This record gives sequence, structure tokens and C-alpha cells, in this order.
Amino acid sequence: DIQMTQSPSTLSASVGDRVTITCRASQSISSWLAWYQQKPGKAPKLLIYKASSLESGVPSRFSGSGSGTEFTLTISSLQPDDFATYYCQQYNSPWTFGQGTKVEIK
Amino acid sequence: QVQLVESGGGVVQPGRSLRLSCAASGFTFSSYAMHWVRQAPGKGLEWVAIISNDGSKKYSPDSVKGRFTISRDNSKNTLYLQMNSLRAEDTAVYYCARDHRPFYVWGSYRNCFDYWGQGTLVTVSS
Repeated sequence: DIQMTQSPSTLSASVGDRVTITCRASQSISSWLAWYQQKPGKAPKLLIYKASSLESGVPSRFSGSGSGTEFTLTISSLQPDDFATYYCQQYNSPWTFGQGTKVEIK
Repeated sequence: QVQLVESGGGVVQPGRSLRLSCAASGFTFSSYAMHWVRQAPGKGLEWVAIISNDGSKKYSPDSVKGRFTISRDNSKNTLYLQMNSLRAEDTAVYYCARDHRPFYVWGSYRNCFDYWGQGTLVTVSS
């Protein structure tokens, strides 16, 4: 199985901050990486697919980059609605997720 | 609009069985592979099973293989997860999720999940 490791596990930030979350794969996954946002008690929501493609309806302040084994999710200007937990997922082989990064209010 | 609605969760004793359902609407169900994903309380996401759009192919990880069976009824737009020999570690919210693109190429893994249900809680406890 491909292991996905996110950092940091928790991130404290303020509204308006630029936020970056990193996801590393245990082996190359090309660009087969997605990012999801999950709020408490809710289902995950797809934000980014194929490492850098923005899902329809997702605000443009979200962006993704990377290939191979290292990827980033960036929120250019954090909004109140963005405080949530974010997961990366690889889909180069049977699907696995990172452990999550909680973005909390500073 | 796309909707996925899970049902069937509850409290069950270790070793017993439970069947989850996921009712789909708002899209051509028979064109999409479907998945089950679970999340233990306070933990991350774990993929549990995939079924092809026509139901002819299924695959699941070793953690549930031989105990969980995914199936679907395209005439009823419904996905199922039969869970047998349940263990305490199977306690989780179970989500159904749709493949991002129709007509998944089996064995490619080249799809993430674009729509998810609201989840149904399964608690395995004596």
C-alpha cells in the first residue's frame, strides 16, 4: 500500500492568512492526488483532483501543486468557512488517504 | 442534483452482521463505479470497497476482504455493503461515494470521489 503523510497535523491560522499543507507519498504517484475538505459531522468534499485541477464550484483561493511524491494544497487567503480538516488521497493504486490536517482558528 | 443517502447503520454485537444501503439519485447510477469509505470516531478516512458500474467486478482491501461484500442493484439505483463477522475495530461512520468520472477503467485506480453521502454510523459493541 502507498502511505500518505500530511504535515502539519494541526495548523493555527487567522482569516486572511496564506495556508499551505503538504502531503508526501511513500512512492511516486505521478499526479494522481486529490484533496478533500471535511467539516465536523459532514462528508468530505472534493476540492482538487489530479494534483492541481480545481473541482467545479470550488473557490479559486484553493490551489494544488506537485507531482511524484510531494504535493501541496494552498489556500491563498483563509476565509471563515475554510476552518476544517483537509485530507489528501492518492489514486495511483488502491486508494489511501493522509491522516488529515486540521486548520484551526489562531 | 446528485444525492447519495446511506441507511442501515446501528449498534451490533461483535460477530454479527449488518447490511448498509446507499440510495442514489440525480445521475445515471449504472454508469459509475461506486465506493464505500469509512471513518472511525476521531480518525481518518479508510477506503473499504469498490464495485464496477455494472456490478460484475468488486475489490476491497485485506482489512475487510472475506468479511465485507459490496453489491449494487442498478434497477433500484442502490448500493449495498454486507458486513459479516463484525469486530470492534469496524466501528465507524460509513460513507458511500461516487467515482469522479463514469465508466471507470477497472484496475486503473484513476478516479477520486466527487460525491459522498452523509454517512451512517456503525457501532460494534457487546
